[in-house]
Amino acid sequence: QQQVRQSPQSLTVWEGETAILNCSYENSAFDYFPWYQQFPGEGPALLISILSVSDKKEDGRFTIFFNKREKKLSLHIADSQPGDSATYFCAASARSGTYQRFGTGTKLQVVP
Amino acid sequence: ETAVFQTPNYHVTQVGNEVSFNCKQTLGHDTMYWYKQDSKKLLKIMFSYNNKQLIVNETVPRRFSPQSSDKAHLNLRIKSVEPEDSAVYLCASSLQANTGQLYFGEGSKLTVL
Repeated sequence: QQQVRQSPQSLTVWEGETAILNCSYENSAFDYFPWYQQFPGEGPALLISILSVSDKKEDGRFTIFFNKREKKLSLHIADSQPGDSATYFCAASARSGTYQRFGTGTKLQVVP
Repeated sequence: ETAVFQTPNYHVTQVGNEVSFNCKQTLGHDTMYWYKQDSKKLLKIMFSYNNKQLIVNETVPRRFSPQSSDKAHLNLRIKSVEPEDSAVYLCASSLQANTGQLYFGEGSKLTVL
């Protein structure tokens, strides 16, 4: 079953706006949550990640907010740029596990 | 900068044929993976190797078989392809099993006619 879910499936924002991508998970053992960015014809690439001991992680225009109690996290992309148009994947893994599980993805389009 | 190399990037074949995809990583990582990405962009783990040893073998049809000659190489063979095998196969590596960042190749797109 899908252990990591994302919403919305697709999102369109205007250039300069903040895009908010949501992610939820089921397994309480998950403690590492990377976000990957994928452009057409390429493999996913790590954008930013957070450990479950933190509730916020910032890297430039990208911020992850993490709510362990609700098993939810979100990726905020501030001042969105057309070059941010891509598919974003939330992933999760546990120290006791053997691989990362990926969410269903959010396709982001930033309109100039 | 690409450090996980996959060949071929595209392959078109007919039902029943055999296909092989090759993957090499130059990062010195111990663990390599094969993920399948379907037409809806869903990413599913297929296999994981740690230092040439199979550690993950998710429920995939028997016609799929991974092959690892050393920790830098992980190939994927598909015997007798089916239409539902049409997808992008993504190879990835990480420093150790299930720790930290995954580094992906560009993918190998398979089309089964």
